[in-house]
Parts: sequence; structure tokens; C-alpha cells
Amino acid sequence: EPEVTQTPSHQVTQMGQEVILRCVPISNHLYFYWYRQILGQKVEFLVSFYNNEISEKSEIFDDQFSVERPDGSNFTLKIRSTKLEDSAMYFCASSFGRAMADTQYFGPGTRLTVL
Amino acid sequence: GNSVTQMEGPVTLSEEAFLTINCTYTATGYPSLFWYVQYPGEGLQLLLKATKADDKGSNKGFEATYRKETTSFHLEKGSVQVSDSAVYFCALRGGRAGGTSYGKLTFGQGTILTVHP
Repeated sequence: EPEVTQTPSHQVTQMGQEVILRCVPISNHLYFYWYRQILGQKVEFLVSFYNNEISEKSEIFDDQFSVERPDGSNFTLKIRSTKLEDSAMYFCASSFGRAMADTQYFGPGTRLTVL
Repeated sequence: GNSVTQMEGPVTLSEEAFLTINCTYTATGYPSLFWYVQYPGEGLQLLLKATKADDKGSNKGFEATYRKETTSFHLEKGSVQVSDSAVYFCALRGGRAGGTSYGKLTFGQGTILTVHP
């Protein structure tokens, strides 16, 4: 069964450093998402991406965040200058469409630890 | 805005016990409702969904009914197994008239379920 993959599974970085989290969505999917979960808190939407542009973003997704689909398979989330409060589990998801019946499929997550 | 509230966990049950995890929501428009499950070390997996009022989603013995009058989508299973131990997330996605969605999911806080033999 096709699945969403994410790398790395765990990233440790120093505050102020840039990190890039990588995702490979399911191959025929057209909509891509990033969510995050700070330890003990809810899973929160960050951004959605379609047709090579952001279609929606949350207030969390400020100027330090960016997303890119650099080739036909990868979908990346970049955090330019990490802060302690960016420590969280980051989930990538993809779906074929945005019909009510379309399911978002999630990857296993990348745990980001900012020291 | 949209919001989802789940019952506080963790929930600890013995094998073959009955499970209910409560979920209520606040939303405008035509939301779809979902239950996702996260097994240890894995990503979020869709467990079941319902896209309109009175729909019942079901999968692997789990069921949930979309109740618009009580704005609820409670998860139930008649007889849990040790393998059901996981974190369960209730979620909604806003919908537009005509059948398209707003895309993003809004999640509850998750409920940890532990089933003992």
C-alpha cells in the first residue's frame, strides 16, 4: 500500500539554525500538508500546498517557515532560524483531492528538538 | 472557528471491555468528521470517517455516528483487544456547499488507550 514517508525521524538542532524536514507524499496525490504536535498538545495545521503554491496557512506559519516541492516527489518544510518553541513532532500529509471523501494520509513524523 | 474536544485520557481497559471515547465539535458549514489512530512509532492512520449528518463510519470493529443535533462523533468498540492500544484523535474538516472541503484538519487533543490482557 502506498505511504507517505518522512526523513529524518529525529532531528536535533541548535537554536538559530536552519532545518529542512523532508517528505515524500503518495505519488499521485496533488494536495500536501504540514502539521505539528508540540508534546502534550493538539495536532495543529501549519500549511497546505497545491499546484506549487500555498493554498492555506495558519497563523503559526510565519516568515520563518517555508515550503517547497523541489522536484516531482519531495515536499519540504524549512524553518530558517529555529526557536526552542519549534520543538515538536512534524507530520506531513497528502491527499488526492479536496472532496469531502478524500482522505489525508499521514507520514510517521519527524521529531524536531531545538536545544 | 472550528474546534474539537475529546475526553481526557488516558483510558485503561481490560481486554474485551467496551470502549467509548467522546468527541464533540464546533464548526460552521458542512464539516466531515474523522477518527485517526496512532500506533507507537507510526504516523496517523485514518480509522473511520463520516461526511454528513447521521452517517456511521466503521472499521476494524470501531464505529462512530455523526450526530449533528448533539455535535458529537463518539468512538465505540464493543470488545477491545490489546492490539487496540494506541492514541486516538478525533478531527474535523470544514466543508463547503457543493461537496468540496477547506482541506485542513482540526484535531482534538488525542486520547491514549491502553488495553491490558
